Amino acid sequence: GAVVSQHPSRVICKSGTSVKIECRSLDFQATTMFWYRQFPKQSLMLMATSNEGSKATYEQGVEKDKFLINHASLTLSTLTVTSAHPEDSSFYICSARSGQMYGYTFGSGTRLTVV
Amino acid sequence: GQQLNQSPQSMFIQEGEDVSMNCTSSSIFNTWLWYKQDPGEGPVLLIALYKAGELTSNGRLTAQFGITRKDSFLNISASIPSDVGIYFCAGHPGTASKLTFGTGTRLQVTL
Repeated sequence: GAVVSQHPSRVICKSGTSVKIECRSLDFQATTMFWYRQFPKQSLMLMATSNEGSKATYEQGVEKDKFLINHASLTLSTLTVTSAHPEDSSFYICSARSGQMYGYTFGSGTRLTVV
Repeated sequence: GQQLNQSPQSMFIQEGEDVSMNCTSSSIFNTWLWYKQDPGEGPVLLIALYKAGELTSNGRLTAQFGITRKDSFLNISASIPSDVGIYFCAGHPGTASKLTFGTGTRLQVTL
């Protein structure tokens, strides 16, 4: 079945630094990837949608200059949290779909802690 | 963004009992998906529904796509301890659309 690999699983960084999270589709080409954010005991909230080779589409209220998304190939998308602050601490999850699939496969998530 | 209303919010049941949860939307969806999320992990797809009225099973799990296309139900029969987790419904109105997630149902199973 479709597998999405997300790294790192956990990261701790200092305030003001940047953190990059990778999302890879291992056995299929992902025409579209999605980035979600999940706070404790809450649902997944979509941050942005990225299509390979084009600029990401951000949801209302998500700062595109703070959460940089790059989808340079059909198997890799990255999310960079720039100038991280403690309030950016959260669980970030990516998902991917191919043009032939109706389902969305999720990565295992990244727990970001900003100290 | 928009969220689907999911109920109940949480459930505490005994091993062996059946479980029912549902998801409602104010707008029509053409696809309904049910996911399970374990702590510290990403959601894992349980069942996908593509047609109004469709009833689909996956082992002890059964889900239905509501006739109105505004709701969906998930049933778990004979629950076991490993069923513990958070169950999310998700849907989208078209084949190329982003997913909208439900608010989640937290399931606890006691022995």
